[in-house]
Amino acid sequence: NAGVMQNPRHLVRRRGQEARLRCSPMKGHSHVYWYRQLPEEGLKFMVYLQKENIIDESGMPKERFSAEFPKEGPSILRIQQVVRGDSAAYFCASSPAATYEQYFGPGTRLTVT
Amino acid sequence: QKEVEQNSGPLSVPEGAIASLNCTYSDRGSQSFFWYRQYSGKSPELIMFIYSNGDKEDGRFTAQLNKASQYVSLLIRDSQPSDSATYLCAAPNNAGNMLTFGGGTRLMVKP
Repeated sequence: NAGVMQNPRHLVRRRGQEARLRCSPMKGHSHVYWYRQLPEEGLKFMVYLQKENIIDESGMPKERFSAEFPKEGPSILRIQQVVRGDSAAYFCASSPAATYEQYFGPGTRLTVT
Repeated sequence: QKEVEQNSGPLSVPEGAIASLNCTYSDRGSQSFFWYRQYSGKSPELIMFIYSNGDKEDGRFTAQLNKASQYVSLLIRDSQPSDSATYLCAAPNNAGNMLTFGGGTRLMVKP
């Protein structure tokens, strides 16, 4: 049973470019969460989605960041006009239902040059 | 605002000893807690979860929850060098929309 999949694993972008991070949840999981881990800092919640719905985006920066989980295909975290402060590890997690345990993917390490 | 606090460490224990990792939380309404292990440069890996007061054992790991004192702990028996990692305590909000993580405790098991 495949775990949570994320790609790319490493992404390098120049300032001002767009970054697209993809996440496919575990089989049977319909709840997707995105977290960000800045260098030497803890994990911070960004957004919680179910298919075609954003349930909670209270952790998302107000500008440049967006997320979606379409009916078909992976969840996408999109960062427009990246800045150096966006350099971090972005983790996706999935669960079979809210309040259940969350399983993390391998993460995407974004470097902005 | 829910807060989860951990001592950042490092906690150093000799191989074969019991490692005790602690976590305190501010929200008395918290019903469940999760322990994740994170190796350097890797993603968090779920190792234990606990929903009720008392102890829960799984192999060399024991999670303990004390709701009256608002702390949760993780004991690792017969510690091995491969247990050296950062251990993250996490609690969901009431709606289950997110996990709030502690800052993590770095454990070092010395051969």
